[in-house]
Amino acid sequence: DIVLTQTPLSLSVTPGQPASISCRSSQSLLHSDGKTYLYWYLQKPGQSPQLLISDVSNRFSGVPDRFSGSGSGTDFTLKISRVEAEDVGLYYCMHSVQLPPTFGGGTKVEIK
Amino acid sequence: QLQLQESGPGLVKPSETLSLTCTVSGGSISGSSYYWGWIRQPPGKGLEWIASIYYSGSTYYNPSLKSRVTISLDTSKNQFSLNLRSVTAADTAVYYCARIRGGFEIWGQGTMVTVSS
Repeated sequence: DIVLTQTPLSLSVTPGQPASISCRSSQSLLHSDGKTYLYWYLQKPGQSPQLLISDVSNRFSGVPDRFSGSGSGTDFTLKISRVEAEDVGLYYCMHSVQLPPTFGGGTKVEIK
Repeated sequence: QLQLQESGPGLVKPSETLSLTCTVSGGSISGSSYYWGWIRQPPGKGLEWIASIYYSGSTYYNPSLKSRVTISLDTSKNQFSLNLRSVTAADTAVYYCARIRGGFEIWGQGTMVTVSS
């Protein structure tokens, strides 16, 4: 199985400041079809996870544009340009380039 | 808008079968190019994909669970289901159902299942 390693484990951010989360894969997430199957999710406290970003950098419907994704191959980043109070929770990266899809261990984002 | 709702017993005895159903509302489970799947999250831990099924009926399983899992569709009820056999305490988790197209796009609220005698 592909292992996704997220750093940092936790992040405390002042509202209005940027935040960045890294996701490193044990092997390339570039599929033979030319697409890279890397996703980002946010699990707010007491809620189900919600999809933020698909295919490395495409924001899902309704996701604010302060969230952006980038990267290629094995190294990926989720950036929040200006953190808001509603952004607190656990962030997970996930791949689906092969079975089984696996998730990173999560990064907890808190507000200072 | 599309909504998913998990249902099933909250308590299952060890060695028995865990059976969950996901009811889809606001859209049809068949006739569209979506996958439907199950993911679980043990208390205080991360997320684990369990199984997925295509609208046509093709199934995909996590190899770590494949020998114990069955996923199925019931298009007449607009539902899909999960059966996990021979459960142990390690299967205690919140179980989520989701619509999949690449990523897990739409999630249910989750249902907590505890395995205990």
